[in-house]
Amino acid sequence: EAQVTQNPRYLITVTGKKLTVTCSQNMNHEYMSWYRQDPGLGLRQIYYSMNVEVTDKGDVPEGYKVSRKEKRNFPLILESPSPNQTSLYFCASKTGGLSNEKLFFGSGTQLSVL
Amino acid sequence: DAKTTQPPSMDCAEGRAANLPCNHSTISGNEYVYWYRQIHSQGPQYIIHGLKNNETNEMASLIITEDRKSSTLILPHATLRDTAVYYCIVRVPYNTDKLIFGTGTRLQVFP
Repeated sequence: EAQVTQNPRYLITVTGKKLTVTCSQNMNHEYMSWYRQDPGLGLRQIYYSMNVEVTDKGDVPEGYKVSRKEKRNFPLILESPSPNQTSLYFCASKTGGLSNEKLFFGSGTQLSVL
Repeated sequence: DAKTTQPPSMDCAEGRAANLPCNHSTISGNEYVYWYRQIHSQGPQYIIHGLKNNETNEMASLIITEDRKSSTLILPHATLRDTAVYYCIVRVPYNTDKLIFGTGTRLQVFP
């Protein structure tokens, strides 16, 4: 089944403790992206990647890192999480290029930073 | 960057057509209009996209005005399962692939 898999689904951590949220897709998509969703603010893009070893900042990249060493994986790294990073996170992927392929989203990761 | 404006909420009776408007007055000539929806806190789901012409698929129809400054998503026979937040987004121009989501329209379908 074609899907985007995020782990974990829920995560509670403390300020400053490094964490990684994993994202994997099995559709051979070139493009992958991370979003965060906060009440009243909609979905905001954190980082995106057009292909392996190519990443770019979205609208809210501060406090986050990403890497794209393999086509299928696009982990989101919080080196020193802070409470304002408490949010619902989504990973997404699609085929590449500047045309109009649709985005496939994961089921989300609810992160709480205490 | 092209921005979109949508009403924050709408209601629709079950079985009736739901017409969700979106304004994108600064859209560039080669930008596409995409529609997604998000049911509760699940990952957003793609619905439909278009450039100039009206589009239809098994989920919905998309009507884009001739000047491309606005569009309407039509769910022809809304069901309770169509209750969701609907996002109209426009692909950012230049040579990037940012997709900017706004706050969307919360559609409530009632019996």
